[in-house]
Amino acid sequence: AQSVTQPDIHITVSEGASLELRCNYSYGATPYLFWYVQSPGQGLQLLLKYFSGDTLVQGIKGFEAEFKRSQSSFNLRKPSVHWSDAAEYFCAVGFMEYGNKLVFGAGTILRVKS
Amino acid sequence: GAGVSQSPSNKVTEKGKDVELRCDPISGHTALYWYRQSLGQGLEFLIYFQGNSAPDKSGLPSDRFSAERTGGSVSTLTIQRTQQEDSAVYLCASSLDNQPQHFGDGTRLSIL
Repeated sequence: AQSVTQPDIHITVSEGASLELRCNYSYGATPYLFWYVQSPGQGLQLLLKYFSGDTLVQGIKGFEAEFKRSQSSFNLRKPSVHWSDAAEYFCAVGFMEYGNKLVFGAGTILRVKS
Repeated sequence: GAGVSQSPSNKVTEKGKDVELRCDPISGHTALYWYRQSLGQGLEFLIYFQGNSAPDKSGLPSDRFSAERTGGSVSTLTIQRTQQEDSAVYLCASSLDNQPQHFGDGTRLSIL
């Protein structure tokens, strides 16, 4: 069965520090890959996506992610975190043969300390 | 509207009652999805619509859950005889074919 693992439930970083959120997936082929962010009481906002092509993808708010096929990973990075980045981050995979329904990781809560 | 709209934003009801949750997708989006977000289970897929048909209902947790979509637009998720374990945030998303899904802000359902 398809699965997505986000090994870190909570991460705390200092404002201005770099950030990496980890995501691994289990699937026999290359799925579509996404990172979403959720602020309290809000829905999910798309940060970036990978469908094919260049394995380093740029997203909104200064985020980027790199797809590594050999590691089945799609880690999210940001060189300098802002206090407004505090939120919960979800990695998701979509499977075209299943109507692109998304399977989500458990989420990583990011705290930013000033 | 500009985004996916869900109503109500909050719903409190008594155990055993039926509830209806509504989703207005982005205009022109052919695909519509329902997900459930709960503390114990995280984000789970419930059902997917392509137009008015639902080729994948595999995530509906029991026969108390049903959904329909009319006119290729608005969708309603109905939960009959609600149970306390149905308490969760129900999220709707829509997309064009093979494009990223755009989410609404959800309906927070509380069963007393």
